[in-house]
Amino acid sequence: TQLLEQSPQFLSIQEGENLTVYCNSSSVFSSLQWYRQEPGEGPVLLVTVVTGGEVKKLKRLTFQFGDARKDSSLHITAAQPGDTGLYLCAGARWNGNKLVFGAGTILRVKS
Amino acid sequence: EPEVTQTPSHQVTQMGQEVILRCVPISNHLYFYWYRQILGQKVEFLVSFYNNEISEKSEIFDDQFSVERPDGSNFTLKIRSTKLEDSAMYFCASSSGGGDQPQHFGDGTRLSIL
Repeated sequence: TQLLEQSPQFLSIQEGENLTVYCNSSSVFSSLQWYRQEPGEGPVLLVTVVTGGEVKKLKRLTFQFGDARKDSSLHITAAQPGDTGLYLCAGARWNGNKLVFGAGTILRVKS
Repeated sequence: EPEVTQTPSHQVTQMGQEVILRCVPISNHLYFYWYRQILGQKVEFLVSFYNNEISEKSEIFDDQFSVERPDGSNFTLKIRSTKLEDSAMYFCASSSGGGDQPQHFGDGTRLSIL
């Protein structure tokens, strides 16, 4: 069974602070996708990381894929209230198309 | 930007009844998926569909479930005889390719079984 563990489960911070969300597994994934989900809506894709060690930036968000392809992180710089939401990581394997999801990190940014 | 659309947004059904959830994937996508999320739990994979056949399915996707692409635009999930434990959010997704190609999700159908 492939598992993706996300941490922390819940994060409440002040506007302007930095934060990092972690996604870890004992399994190797061919890629990891990060999503953000608002209440009542489906997951919205933020980024896909494919190469071990890859770093991708999306404005104030930095995504990294571990060298061994077993872990990934999402770092947000100078968080804003608009960043509030549920962040999900999901891994894909080489021999299939399904995504394995983590449990998510609920982020709340207070102004 | 193209998006995946799902109908209905909320479906309430009596236990034992059949239900069909509908999805219109992004038009040039070739791979289609159903996932579900029981309240308070992780998003779980149900089935993937490519070239008019199931390419992968989970142990959740038993004989009560079926998928169909009845025409060139719709992708449906049917549950033949619903159980209480089928209550969940059901998400449809599509991608342009398999493997590492990003999957784009609809907003889901909330299925409530009474």
